[in-house]
Amino acid sequence: GAGVSQTPSNKVTEKGKYVELRCDPISGHTALYWYRQSLGQGPEFLIYFQGTGAADDSGLPNDRFFAVRPEGSVSTLKIQRTERGDSAVYLCASSQGTKETQYFGPGTRLLVL
Amino acid sequence: RKEVEQDPGPFNVPEGATVAFNCTYSNSASQSFFWYRQDCRKEPKLLMSVYSSGNEDGRFTAQLNRASQYISLLIRDSKLSDSATYLCVVRVFGNEKLTFGTGTRLTIIP
Repeated sequence: GAGVSQTPSNKVTEKGKYVELRCDPISGHTALYWYRQSLGQGPEFLIYFQGTGAADDSGLPNDRFFAVRPEGSVSTLKIQRTERGDSAVYLCASSQGTKETQYFGPGTRLLVL
Repeated sequence: RKEVEQDPGPFNVPEGATVAFNCTYSNSASQSFFWYRQDCRKEPKLLMSVYSSGNEDGRFTAQLNRASQYISLLIRDSKLSDSATYLCVVRVFGNEKLTFGTGTRLTIIP
């Protein structure tokens, strides 16, 4: 079956611009996660949704970052006033429920110039 | 101190050799443990979960020592296709998020 998909696969933007990154989880998966991976590092947790609600947003670095999942399926990660330090691969994962295996999407490579 | 620490490598190992990776974690409330594999410019994929009793999956053996807060992965008879970055991952009790180490890069040499 289809895995987690993310769009765009690559995004280049200028400092100060707004970007949206989209994640389509595996069908039927209720839990959705966003992580960020910088070069040479492991993924770092940003936010977790159970259904439509953000159950844990403790990893969001500041208030420029926001994520939604209005219908409990697709999620969008929004970054305002992008900074060069936001450049990273943004990974989305989904799982069937809590404590279940997290399956990752291919990521969106964001480059802020 | 990082929550999950791994030797970043690189480990360059001849084909057919045995290689072992270690990982330590700092949070004693860690409850679930995993090894993920990540190929270059790809997403992480679950290699295996790690159980207290130790577990094996083909050429791969994982061990957990809760007292020392230490996890290991052993790869026997290494193949060229084992070349990848191996990520040590923990999940703390009551949390859903995964905490990753920086990864250990492995290259199998023909």
